[in-house]
Amino acid sequence: GEDVEQSLFLSVREGDSSVINCTYTDSSSTYLYWYKQEPGAGLQLLTYIFSNMDMKQDQRLTVLLNKKDKHLSLRIADTQTGDSAIYFCAESGTGGGNKLTFGTGTQLKVEL
Amino acid sequence: GAVVSQHPSWVICKSGTSVKIECRSLDFQATTMFWYRQFPKQSLMLMATSNEGSKATYEQGVEKDKFLINHASLTLSTLTVTSAHPEDSSFYICSEYQTTGTPGYTFGSGTRLTVV
Repeated sequence: GEDVEQSLFLSVREGDSSVINCTYTDSSSTYLYWYKQEPGAGLQLLTYIFSNMDMKQDQRLTVLLNKKDKHLSLRIADTQTGDSAIYFCAESGTGGGNKLTFGTGTQLKVEL
Repeated sequence: GAVVSQHPSWVICKSGTSVKIECRSLDFQATTMFWYRQFPKQSLMLMATSNEGSKATYEQGVEKDKFLINHASLTLSTLTVTSAHPEDSSFYICSEYQTTGTPGYTFGSGTRLTVV
């Protein structure tokens, strides 16, 4: 089955950039997503990228996709304390009935 | 954008009782609903996929007789945890999928279930 991996933890200083990485195995992924989850809350969609794109920028967020290496990254510019949360990448493939497969999640901690 | 209302947001129940979690589409009709479970400090694991008017498809290892899913209408899907035990304590999240628009997934706010 599909496998989506992320590093568990990232700590940055306020104002710095954060880069969260994700690797996946399903080569048929059509869309790849980044979600944010704050403690005790549901998922907030941050951004997504279509599999035929290399990069997408949305305000402070930049998504890079290397389809050859099956590597996805999320860069958060000027990271703020409010960005502290768990970040999940997710992919949807064509053969999975549109279901999402989530990564293991990265805990981002922003320090002053 | 699309909104999914999930209730209750948290529930505490005794072992052996059943708990029903509801997810309602407020502004679109969803034929497909996904139900996820998330244990503390872990990722979301898909439990089942339900389609309106048909039986749910359960992921491997998920007991269909324990986690009853009903998707009787295009705007309401329910998950009932039957004969709950402490190991069922978890965060349950629904997600609706619509074929129109991108990205197509709308998540509920989640239900924190604690079985004592």
